[in-house]
Amino acid sequence: SYELTQPPSVSVSPGQTARITCSGDALPKPYAYWYQQKPGQAPVLVIYKNTERPSGIPERFSGSSSGTTITLTISGVQAEDEADYYCQSAESSGSYVMFGGGTKLTVL
Amino acid sequence: EVQLVESGGGLVQPGGSLRLSCAASGFNFKGYWMGFVRQAPGKGLQWVANINQDGSKQYYVDSVKGRFTISRDTAKNSLDLQMNSLRAEDTAVYYCAKVGAGTGAYYFDFWGQGTLVTVSS
Repeated sequence: SYELTQPPSVSVSPGQTARITCSGDALPKPYAYWYQQKPGQAPVLVIYKNTERPSGIPERFSGSSSGTTITLTISGVQAEDEADYYCQSAESSGSYVMFGGGTKLTVL
Repeated sequence: EVQLVESGGGLVQPGGSLRLSCAASGFNFKGYWMGFVRQAPGKGLQWVANINQDGSKQYYVDSVKGRFTISRDTAKNSLDLQMNSLRAEDTAVYYCAKVGAGTGAYYFDFWGQGTLVTVSS
């Protein structure tokens, strides 16, 4: 097994751009994913296969990767984006799935 | 509309057993891998187990191997997690989740609302 490392917290003002990173030796292995979780709710997939956005996810959410670091970018942050965000990767066989420790995004 | 509804959570003593069930609807259940993910109180997400379309492959996080068993019933569109020899550290909200499509891609595109399992004497 291996670890995915995220910063515990990120703070931005409304309208600014938030960038949340996730690093791990084998990323993106071969793909990486991002989830948003608001208090008391189940996680919601916001980015899959590194850069794809599921139906219904606003365009301000985007994903990218460089080397062994992946980044979730939220452009024009809104108050409703305040949540915990988790990165995730997996063995290509489906035999192991790992999550990052999570990043709390605070909208000031 | 994809729906995943978990049931079976509750309070159990250390060493006890519990069986979680997840009723799936709104998609071709037998066409997708499924999994369970848990979240201890105030903590992050932890993958627990995956199962392939016909149930012939099951994978587990090391901490539950030999104690938990994931299974599915395609006739009933249901996913189960049998949890034995429960420990305090198994206390968490357990989510049932559908695995997304794509070769070599294992991620969870739909989640249930979760069911709380509390292991305590």
